[in-house]
Amino acid sequence: ELKVEQNPLFLSMQEGKNYTIYCNYSTTSDRLYWYRQDPGKSLESLFVLLSNGAVKQEGRLMASLDTKARLSTLHITAAVHDLSATYFCAVDPSMNYGGSQGNLIFGKGTKLSVKP
Amino acid sequence: NAGVTQTPKFRVLKTGQSMTLLCAQDMNHEYMYWYRQDPGMGLRLIHYSVGEGTTAKGEVPDGYNVSRLKKQNFLLGLESAAPSQTSVYFCASSSGTDGMNTEAFFGQGTRLTVV
Repeated sequence: ELKVEQNPLFLSMQEGKNYTIYCNYSTTSDRLYWYRQDPGKSLESLFVLLSNGAVKQEGRLMASLDTKARLSTLHITAAVHDLSATYFCAVDPSMNYGGSQGNLIFGKGTKLSVKP
Repeated sequence: NAGVTQTPKFRVLKTGQSMTLLCAQDMNHEYMYWYRQDPGMGLRLIHYSVGEGTTAKGEVPDGYNVSRLKKQNFLLGLESAAPSQTSVYFCASSSGTDGMNTEAFFGQGTRLTVV
């Protein structure tokens, strides 16, 4: 059974600080996604990581993937209030690094609060 | 610009009633998913489909049924609603194939309350 664990689950940061959210998963996969959810809203795609060593950056957020360690990180640089949201990672188990199996599994999310 | 559309957006059911949630996507995606979101539990996969006419169970399938008669639609049915099914339900779709644009796109959610 695929397990996806995020930590921390809650994160309170001051503006201007840096922090990293971790996503560990339990089975072979070379497809990992990060999403953002604002309160009462749907999920918005942030990053698509499709290979070992993949690194993507958008503004103050940078995501990376280590498939050998089964670990992805979402790094926040110089946080601002607008980044306050819940961040989810999601893993798509792949069949021997081939096609998707279809059962996209999410972590429980990290609720980020950025305070002035 | 529709993407993934869910109907209805809100619903209140009495225990034992039945209902169907409709998900429609206009992106010609092969894969479709139904999730429920509960506080502290994240998103849990109920059922999914990897193509027209196919369905499979996810993590929490009990009490739900699904159908994918047309590629663009994925229906989620509750045969006899229970208070434990009070949740926010999200539908999503993805291309599911190798390539760059494989992420899932989500609908706006359906807030269901069972009393």
